[in-house]
Amino acid sequence: QKEVEQDPGPLSVPEGAIVSLNCTYSNSAFQYFMWYRQYSRKGPELLMYTYSSGNKEDGRFTAQVDKSSKYISLFIRDSQPSDSATYLCAMCGGRGSTLGRLYFGRGTQLTVWP
Amino acid sequence: NAGVTQTPKFRILKIGQSMTLQCTQDMNHNYMYWYRQDPGMGLKLIYYSVGAGITDKGEVPNGYNVSRSTTEDFPLRLELAAPSQTSVYFCATVAGTGGLDGYTFGSGTRLTVV
Repeated sequence: QKEVEQDPGPLSVPEGAIVSLNCTYSNSAFQYFMWYRQYSRKGPELLMYTYSSGNKEDGRFTAQVDKSSKYISLFIRDSQPSDSATYLCAMCGGRGSTLGRLYFGRGTQLTVWP
Repeated sequence: NAGVTQTPKFRILKIGQSMTLQCTQDMNHNYMYWYRQDPGMGLKLIYYSVGAGITDKGEVPNGYNVSRSTTEDFPLRLELAAPSQTSVYFCATVAGTGGLDGYTFGSGTRLTVV
């Protein structure tokens, strides 16, 4: 079983739709959860970052973590064509051997059409 | 302020050839990482370094070598290139707390081994 599972899609939605992206993980040591956005032929860039269970909102983006289910989500409201990219979940542990080393999901390719 | 600079951007190698992928950062970060990204497969850690003179293996180190003689530079060496090393290679850095502040990625090197 991979440590981080993410459905690669592709996902195609109309402009204005609500998008839900998800990852599951198996390692209980993971404490920090991130979402990266990667445009075609570019390096990933940090979109959101959460610690512990709960929700975090930033504009049209909401990150959700459920540690009991080992499940994280990213919601995009009022999606725009400029949101078209690959979204990668990533996570790392706290103190100990996994600190600083990120474990990535496969990425979900999202297309928002006008 | 260039951030993380990777060279070359593209390269085609023949089987058995060697090359060095260059990575330079100007953010004075201690932690540096090399990842490879295969299509639809997410990022896999090759090697990482927590400071000058200190390197360690990641998930997929076979066929690669690294060195870290300065804070700024973290070159990745491929010896005896194989088709399985065809991939996009990303260098990333983060401040001393490891992955908690989010990585800064370079724009990648696209390598094809034929």
